Amino acid sequence: SAVISQKPSRDICQRGTSLTIQCQVDSQVTMMFWYRQQPGQSLTLIATANQGSEATYESGFVIDKFPISRPNLTFSTLTVSNMSPEDSSIYLCSVAPPREAGRAFFGQGTRLTVV
Amino acid sequence: AQSVTQLGSHVSVSEGALVLLRCNYSSSVPPYLFWYVQYPNQGLQLLLKYTSAATLVKGINGFEAEFKKSETSFHLTKPSAHMSDAAEYFCAVSDLSGNQGGKLIFGQGTELSVKP
Repeated sequence: SAVISQKPSRDICQRGTSLTIQCQVDSQVTMMFWYRQQPGQSLTLIATANQGSEATYESGFVIDKFPISRPNLTFSTLTVSNMSPEDSSIYLCSVAPPREAGRAFFGQGTRLTVV
Repeated sequence: AQSVTQLGSHVSVSEGALVLLRCNYSSSVPPYLFWYVQYPNQGLQLLLKYTSAATLVKGINGFEAEFKKSETSFHLTKPSAHMSDAAEYFCAVSDLSGNQGGKLIFGQGTELSVKP
């Protein structure tokens, strides 16, 4: 299993500013995943973060808007840059330890409101 | 490429009634399938998973799901709904292509309401 701590749990931000979300895992994992859940919607993968290499972004997401860091095997950050109200969402960090047969563990999420 | 479709964005049942949440998948390889539940203002919790072992999978809180390859379905059921089951339920398939194990593709979600 894996326990994920995500910070902050929620924030209200002004448009045009940036917010960095932190994700800490209690074990070493190769890949970490960042998802976005817009209000009333399902989860959409933003990017996959590998330690020691650049993140891989899904279609519709770009590094300039969502820069990701992965300095070691237990930690990652996602920054939401130059925010607009459309960025108001829950952002979730996820990991899938190798012995878990594809099962993903999720942090509690960061509820972001942009005003 | 894998995909998941959940039929019905909202399901309402009476307390004690059968719960049936539908999920169909598309996958070019044997899939790993999951049901997650999200309670209001909380993160995602795994209910159950299918990883090519028994086709009938039992999960937590009395839920179970049956993998039917011929129907490409993985419907979630519970014989008797409880008020505490009211939540959002997500069906997901694991993208096992390349080395992206652990990357999940989610369905649109089904909100379950339970009436007293």
